[in-house]
Amino acid sequence: SQQGEEDPQALSIQEGENATMNCSYKTSINNLQWYRQNSGRGLVHLILIRSNEREKHSGRLRVTLDTSKKSSSLLITASRAADTASYFCATHSGNTPLVFGKGTRLSVIA
Amino acid sequence: DTAVSQTPKYLVTQMGNDKSIKCEQNLGHDTMYWYKQDSKKFLKIMFSYNNKELIINETVPNRFSPKSPDKAHLNLHINSLELGDSAVYFCASSQDLRDKETQYFGPGTRLLVL
Repeated sequence: SQQGEEDPQALSIQEGENATMNCSYKTSINNLQWYRQNSGRGLVHLILIRSNEREKHSGRLRVTLDTSKKSSSLLITASRAADTASYFCATHSGNTPLVFGKGTRLSVIA
Repeated sequence: DTAVSQTPKYLVTQMGNDKSIKCEQNLGHDTMYWYKQDSKKFLKIMFSYNNKELIINETVPNRFSPKSPDKAHLNLHINSLELGDSAVYFCASSQDLRDKETQYFGPGTRLLVL
């Protein structure tokens, strides 16, 4: 069964603006990960946040995790045209395989 | 150097045919995976192998048979292809089963069944 659900499904912003994507999940997790997929390519791991962490940064990326609400957000600051891609959250629970959401398609317009 | 590679990149074939997709990783990882991504971009795991042994076999028709000749390779053979098999198939690997923390994906194989 699908675990993560990203919101919005699609997002279009101007270069330089911030982009925020959200992910909700249903069961308790060990960690939550965000991946990026450029058109016609495989997924690339961006960042992992563990269930006992609330916030994590990596360059222009900021991820938050609220386990009480079973949700996470990915913030990309000062977006660039090269950030145009689909972004997926994936949850890891116990010994089950990673479960991916349907993704948010981000378009950054120059 | 490509970490996870797949061949072919594109595969167009007729319904009823049998085809194989190959995957190789040069990361020294113990665990490899096959995923299917449908037209709506939903990514679903199909199989997971650890050290050449099948660990996860999600609800996948038995027309799909993975084969791992060694831990660096995980091939996917599909018998009697159906229209619904059209999708992008991704191979991935991770360090081991305990560390499912970061998965490294191949570029995908785009399968179109006519």
